[in-house]
Amino acid sequence: DAGVIQSPRHEVTEMGQEVTLRCKPISGHDYLFWYRQTMMRGLELLIYFNNNVPIDDSGMPEDRFSAKMPNASFSTLKIQPSEPRDSAVYFCASSQPGTSGRGQETQYFGPGTRLLVL
Amino acid sequence: AQSVTQLGSHVSVSEGALVLLRCNYSSSVPPYLFWYVQYPNQGLQLLLKYTSAATLVKGINGFEAEFKKSETSFHLTKPSAHMSDAAEYFCAVSEGGKLIFGQGTELSVKP
Repeated sequence: DAGVIQSPRHEVTEMGQEVTLRCKPISGHDYLFWYRQTMMRGLELLIYFNNNVPIDDSGMPEDRFSAKMPNASFSTLKIQPSEPRDSAVYFCASSQPGTSGRGQETQYFGPGTRLLVL
Repeated sequence: AQSVTQLGSHVSVSEGALVLLRCNYSSSVPPYLFWYVQYPNQGLQLLLKYTSAATLVKGINGFEAEFKKSETSFHLTKPSAHMSDAAEYFCAVSEGGKLIFGQGTELSVKP
């Protein structure tokens, strides 16, 4: 089991450029989450999907951010145009609900993408 | 809305000493609570979780946590710290399957 895979691991770009972050969840997991981690705000949930459908995007900061999940094995988080304040570590996580009910399942995190916008 | 508060952004202990990382939660329903660990430049890894089966939960690497409803706490402990325990630790509560994280506690272990 390869775990959650994210690419790229590091991204340096200039303000105004488009940035695309990629995630491959663990095979068989129905839920996929995107988080952002900064010193100031800690870990924030941006959006999550269930069976490729966005369920809650209330954490997406603004219209410059968009996320898609075209199939069960791939998701993207896009920032267009990027700004210096978007600099952060972006994590993808996936989970598979157990038989005991929603909310108890473990989320498995990828290694993150460290984004620096100059 | 549910939330967690971690007391102390930095904790420093000596190798072999007791580790105690504090977490208090706020929830209107019986909570599901988690502790995750993040090593430098890595993603988060589950240490343990409370899902109402038992109030004392044992996790990986010798860590355990006790759910205390009367104190709305879920503190993380380890009897004897090891250098390899140096990392950042996050307490989280599940809200409908979404994880709400605390601000994290950075644990330093001195030789």
